[in-house]
Amino acid sequence: AQSVTQPDIHITVSEGASLELRCNYSYGATPYLFWYVQSPGQGLQLLLKYFSGDTLVQGIKGFEAEFKRSQSSFNLRKPSVHWSDAAEYFCAVGRRATSGTYKYIFGTGTRLKVLA
Amino acid sequence: EAGVTQFPSHSVIEKGQTVTLRCDPISGHDNLYWYRRVMGKEIKFLLHFVKESKQDESGMPNNRFLAERTGGTYSTLKVQPAELEDSGVYFCASSQDAKGVLHYNEQFFGPGTRLTVL
Repeated sequence: AQSVTQPDIHITVSEGASLELRCNYSYGATPYLFWYVQSPGQGLQLLLKYFSGDTLVQGIKGFEAEFKRSQSSFNLRKPSVHWSDAAEYFCAVGRRATSGTYKYIFGTGTRLKVLA
Repeated sequence: EAGVTQFPSHSVIEKGQTVTLRCDPISGHDNLYWYRRVMGKEIKFLLHFVKESKQDESGMPNNRFLAERTGGTYSTLKVQPAELEDSGVYFCASSQDAKGVLHYNEQFFGPGTRLTVL
């Protein structure tokens, strides 16, 4: 069965420091991969997605992620974190079920705290 | 353009009571999805509407959950009777029709309804 693992439940970084959030997936076929962010009181917002091609994907808000098939990973990175990046981040695999429905399989999320 | 909206934002009820959650999708989006996140767990798919029809309800936990989308606009998710394990955050998402070979249509999520069953 497909699954997504985010091994870090909480991460704390200082403002201006670099950030890497880990994501590993288990999926038989070529995965469609996503990172979402949820800020307090907001809905899940798509940061970036990977379907194929260049394995380094650029997203919004200065985030990027790198797909590594050999490691089944899709880690999210940002070179310099801003206080406004404090939020919860979700990695997800997208797949089309036999019903025709396109579904996301999410990880458990990583909550990011940013120190001033 | 308004995003996906959900009402209420929070609901606290006692075990055995009934609660109805509402989702208003982005205007023009035929696809509407419900997901749920139980505390500390991953966000899980519940069901998918295409217009007013249920395309996939494989994630619905049991028959205490009833989802409707009359007229193909807003949707409601009723829990009756609520149990302690139903506590969590219920997310709604909507998307346009999938087009193209990627068969992918971005789902836009609402802020969620936090349900607490005491």
